[in-house]
Amino acid sequence: SYVLSQPPSVSVAPGKTARITCGGDDIRSKSVHWYQHQKPGQAPVLVIYDDTDRPSGIPERFSGSNSGNTATLTISWVEAGDEADYYCQVWGTNDDHPVFGGGTKLTVL
Amino acid sequence: EVQLVESGGGLVKPGGSLRLSCAASRFTFSTYTMSWVRQAPGKGLEWVSSISSGSNYIYYADSLKGRFTISRDNAKNSLYLQMNSLRADDTAVYYCARVIVGATTRNFDYWGQGTLVTVSS
Repeated sequence: SYVLSQPPSVSVAPGKTARITCGGDDIRSKSVHWYQHQKPGQAPVLVIYDDTDRPSGIPERFSGSNSGNTATLTISWVEAGDEADYYCQVWGTNDDHPVFGGGTKLTVL
Repeated sequence: EVQLVESGGGLVKPGGSLRLSCAASRFTFSTYTMSWVRQAPGKGLEWVSSISSGSNYIYYADSLKGRFTISRDNAKNSLYLQMNSLRADDTAVYYCARVIVGATTRNFDYWGQGTLVTVSS
């Protein structure tokens, strides 16, 4: 089955730019979606869908890209409230199963 | 705004059963594919199961090996997950999520707050 790889953690100072990567074989051929999950027991939030699109209500500071074997979630002007776990997700190959990356914990220093 | 509220979690002994429910509101439930996604303690998100709007298409994660059954009642705006033969590694927060179906992909645009299932003797 299709595998997505994320770094376990990323740290960034407030006001700086955070980049969270999601690696997968020829991931550019897939649509990548990103979720923010602030605490277990809280609802995850879709922040980017279809590689680059933002749902209504998501700040423009959140953006996405997808090229080659890596998709990237970029958070500009990072705020303390952005501290959370971030997960990438695609629809798997040759089946109807969604696949999640292992998640990246974003720490705001 | 869309609301999804899970219930039915709790403490159950290994080998036991539990039925989770998800009450949906503020959208036309009968027109959406729905899913269950879980998160074990200290682990990431794991897709469990999906069901199409009319219950015609149902999918499960391979790891479940027939122990779980997803269903829905569109008249009651409710989604269910019947979990049998529960094991310790089924311990997790279970989330109900609405699915957006695209031409070649799907994503989860709204999620509930989750319900905790603990399997322990």
